[in-house]
Amino acid sequence: DQQVKQNSPSLSVQEGRISILNCDYTNSMFDYFLWYKKYPAEGPTFLISISSIKDKNEDGRFTVFLNKSAKHLSLHIVPSQPGDSAVYFCAAAGSGSARQLTFGSGTQLTVLP
Amino acid sequence: KAGVTQTPRYLIKTRGQQVTLSCSPISGHRSVSWYQQTPGQGLQFLFEYFSETQRNKGNFPGRFSGRQFSNSRSEMNVSTLELGDSALYLCASSLRGQGQKETQYFGPGTRLLVL
Repeated sequence: DQQVKQNSPSLSVQEGRISILNCDYTNSMFDYFLWYKKYPAEGPTFLISISSIKDKNEDGRFTVFLNKSAKHLSLHIVPSQPGDSAVYFCAAAGSGSARQLTFGSGTQLTVLP
Repeated sequence: KAGVTQTPRYLIKTRGQQVTLSCSPISGHRSVSWYQQTPGQGLQFLFEYFSETQRNKGNFPGRFSGRQFSNSRSEMNVSTLELGDSALYLCASSLRGQGQKETQYFGPGTRLLVL
């Protein structure tokens, strides 16, 4: 049973436009969410996180939105750059039985020059 | 500050053999978590060690085991290797461990190929 789902395996965006990556979760105990970026042959690199007490967190070109009622989060990248081309994973964690970090299956973002 | 390091980076084994992977966390981090990544799959949680104790375990068979040393370095062992164990094995470290609303920092991974 996948508790964190990224339903789009891939996304292509033109350079300079907005990239929107989506993630859904099912476990109501999750209260901390993260996005990681992964290049081939490298480990995931932390991008941005958000706690469930907030609905938006911004860091430069990256903004994460959290909709708790819909159990949905999204990562916006504006403007997109070719160097952003990578696999993006969302991850979620909580307390108790949900304390371990649970990852989605990833979305391959390709930013076209 | 040096990042998380993993050795070896690449490994080829045959079915039935065993393998040991090593992970050195960021200095000062006491938690080390291990993950398996296979094509098309997200990162599947294997286990977490904190202060030399296994604190949490994922849904993997007993062939997968680990340990942590007093300097927080961790090893993961897989016995009786199967073809399906071919994967990228990632370790991640953090200061206080899972469930603490903090970032986990990943190493580059060990790519294991089982023939």
